[in-house]
Amino acid sequence: DAEITQSPRHKITETGRQVTLACHQTWNHNNMFWYRQDLGHGLRLIHYSYGVQDTNKGEVSDGYSVSRSNTEDLPLTLESAASSQTSVYFCASSESTRDEQYFGPGTRLTVT
Amino acid sequence: AQSVTQLDSQVPVFEEAPVELRCNYSSSVSVYLFWYVQYPNQGLQLLLKYLSGSTLVESINGFEAEFNKSQTSFHLRKPSVHISDTAEYFCAVRDMGNTGKLIFGQGTTLQVKP
Repeated sequence: DAEITQSPRHKITETGRQVTLACHQTWNHNNMFWYRQDLGHGLRLIHYSYGVQDTNKGEVSDGYSVSRSNTEDLPLTLESAASSQTSVYFCASSESTRDEQYFGPGTRLTVT
Repeated sequence: AQSVTQLDSQVPVFEEAPVELRCNYSSSVSVYLFWYVQYPNQGLQLLLKYLSGSTLVESINGFEAEFNKSQTSFHLRKPSVHISDTAEYFCAVRDMGNTGKLIFGQGTTLQVKP
């Protein structure tokens, strides 16, 4: 069955380190999204992509970057991790902009 | 720009009682509306959606939501809840253009007590 996976599921890192969170989908979806989930804020969009080589900034993109070299993967990089980036991160994908988004299981990131 | 407000952060309810989770949105353009559910330590799953047509939409597990354009609301209801409905529920909107971006509310935790 097609699915969307995230790794690692849990990560603890130190302030200032570079961290990359992986997202892999086997749906062959063009659209992929990264959200962060924080208490009281719901989910907020970090970056999104409509296809290979396409990336766009979302609502809370500062301190994050993404790259899309193939259809299946959209890794999220924190260039220099900050304590404010402690959060749960969700990746999602959709076949088109009109379709529902399918979410991965999430990555819990703690920055100490 | 769109925004979504979920009026209750937590809703405690006894098993077999009815429940309503409230969602209001703000948008200058027409939108699609969604409810997602998140069970503990899991990702989000689509519960139901309103795209067009009948303003009352239903899910397979007994939830329903009604789109009210005049009140810009999309409240979620269930006539009789079960322990297994304990979860966090998110309301979301997406504009009818081709951006595909979802705007989420803050979430409502439904706590079903025996």
